[in-house]
This record gives sequence, structure tokens and C-alpha cells, in this order.
Amino acid sequence: GAVVSQHPSRVICKSGTSVKIECRSLDFQATTMFWYRQFPKKSLMLMATSNEGSKATYEQGVEKDKFLINHASLTLSTLTVTSAHPEDSSFYICSAMGGSGANVLTFGAGSRLTVL
Amino acid sequence: AQTVTQSQPEMSVQEAETVTLSCTYDTSESDYYLFWYKQPPSRQMILVIRQEAYKQQNATENRFSVNFQKAAKSFSLKISDSQLGDAAMYFCAYKREARDMRFGAGTRLTVKP
Repeated sequence: GAVVSQHPSRVICKSGTSVKIECRSLDFQATTMFWYRQFPKKSLMLMATSNEGSKATYEQGVEKDKFLINHASLTLSTLTVTSAHPEDSSFYICSAMGGSGANVLTFGAGSRLTVL
Repeated sequence: AQTVTQSQPEMSVQEAETVTLSCTYDTSESDYYLFWYKQPPSRQMILVIRQEAYKQQNATENRFSVNFQKAAKSFSLKISDSQLGDAAMYFCAYKREARDMRFGAGTRLTVKP
């Protein structure tokens, strides 16, 4: 079946540094990918929609200058958390559309970011 | 805006028994898709079952089935013959064609041996 690979699975960084998370569709092309954030014991909150070859669409309240999204190819989207602060610590999950049938999202395994 | 409501933060079921998880949603659209995803402790989101709104027949996947009531905007998940491996967070989700997916708050299912 369709597989989405997300890397790294865990990352610890110092406050003020930037961290990049990669999301790859391994066996299908994904023109659209979605980035979600999940707080402990909470639901998934959509951060942005990533479209190949164009600018990402951010949800209200999500700082586009802090969470940079690049979707340079049909199989790769990246999320860069710039100038990270402890409040950015969270679980980030990417998903891609198209691998398991129309309108079904395949999810990466998530990335846990801890900012010290 | 579309919203998805899961009114049961936690549910518990005895192994081999049946449990039903509730979900309601709000939309003004007629065409959309509904899903149940499972998130085990590994936190990997796993698709359990999907339903297209234009289909009247309820979707079934082995031990998992849904009760889709379009007029009532209700989409419940029934798990039959519950197994220990079914223990997880279950999220109900709504999606429109070529649009993002919106999730409910989740229901934590515990399976007792």
C-alpha cells in the first residue's frame, strides 16, 4: 500500500535554532500534502496545505514565517520550524493525498520536536 | 465551517464484545467523505474505514462497520469481536473533494482482557 515517510521521528534542538522535517511519498506522487500539529492527548490540527510548485496555504493563526513549507517535487514536502521556541515543541504529522484512493490521506509516522 | 464532534472522550469494551463509537458532523455540503482513523500508542495514523456520502450502503471492513445517517449527520463506528490490538485513539474525520481533512477530538478505546 501507499507509504509516507517522515523524518526525523524525533528531534531535540536549542531555542533559536531551525529544524527541518521531511515528508516523502515513497510509491506515489502527491500533488497535495497536509501538515498537522498534535498536542498531547489532543486531536490533529491542520497547519497548512502544501501544493507542489506553489505556495502553501496556511490555516488562520499559523505563522507562515515561523513554519516554512516547501513542496518542491511531487514526492517531497518539508516543514521548517524557524527560530524555534519551547512553545513550538509538539508532534508534527504530515499526510499525502492520492496513494490509497481518491480523498484518502496516508499519514507519516510523525515527528516529535522538543525545543530546549 | 465544517466541524466534527466526538462526544465520547473514552470508551471501554470487554475483549470479544462489541462497541460503538459516536461521531456527528456539521456541513452544508452534499458531497463529502467520512473516515475513521486509528492512532495506536505509536501515533501512526491508520485508516480504519471510509464512507462516501453519496453511497447509502454502510461501509464494512471485516470487524469494523459504520452506521451512516446522512440526514442526521451521524457516522458511528462499530467494532465487533473486539481485540486487544484495537485499543487506541479513534478519530472521526470529514473531507471534501480535493480539500483538507478535519478531525474530531478523538475517543480513547480501552479493551479489557
